[in-house]
Amino acid sequence: AQSVTQLDSHVSVSEGTPVLLRCNYSSSYSPSLFWYVQHPNKGLQLLLKYTSAATLVKGINGFEAEFKKSETSFHLTKPSAHMSDAAEYFCVVSHNYGQNFVFGPGTRLSVLP
Amino acid sequence: NAGVTQTPKFQVLKTGQSMTLQCAQDMNHNSMYWYRQDPGMGLRLIYYSASEGTTDKGEVPNGYNVSRLNKREFSLRLESAAPSQTSVYFCASSELRTSGSNTGELFFGEGSRLTVL
Repeated sequence: AQSVTQLDSHVSVSEGTPVLLRCNYSSSYSPSLFWYVQHPNKGLQLLLKYTSAATLVKGINGFEAEFKKSETSFHLTKPSAHMSDAAEYFCVVSHNYGQNFVFGPGTRLSVLP
Repeated sequence: NAGVTQTPKFQVLKTGQSMTLQCAQDMNHNSMYWYRQDPGMGLRLIYYSASEGTTDKGEVPNGYNVSRLNKREFSLRLESAAPSQTSVYFCASSELRTSGSNTGELFFGEGSRLTVL
């Protein structure tokens, strides 16, 4: 069975400081991993994805994530937060060639001026 | 490209009423999904359709029915709405990852906000 843990329900950072959103997963198969962002009253947008190529994945808007198999982690980072990054972020795991996408509970990111 | 389109965007129902949420995708994807989103619980899968003509239950199917009308359209029906079905509903589509360029990520609609009084 697959599961996703997002260790922080809420993260607050100051504008211009680094962002770290943590995600740990469990999967019986070789996983695909995704980060999605959801701005208020909007749908979910793909930030980045890992599908067994490079372990350091670069996404949109300056975000990146590193797949660490030994730690079963896929943490999301950004060097410098912007006010527009304030949103809900979801870590998602899926096993290769599968239909089942499992969502973490989400982390709400607040960016303070 | 419109991507995934859901209607309606907002709906208020009384307990016991029925309604259908419509979803259409123009990306020629085989797989389509219905999720519900509730605070602090992420997204939970209601039903999915791996391909035209097939549907399967997800994590929280009770109180819902679905129809995969054709490859483009996948509808979600509430036969007798209950207050516990107050939620935001998202339709999504994807293509299975293959050895080619497909990566299998989900593409989402904008959501349908349903309130059951």
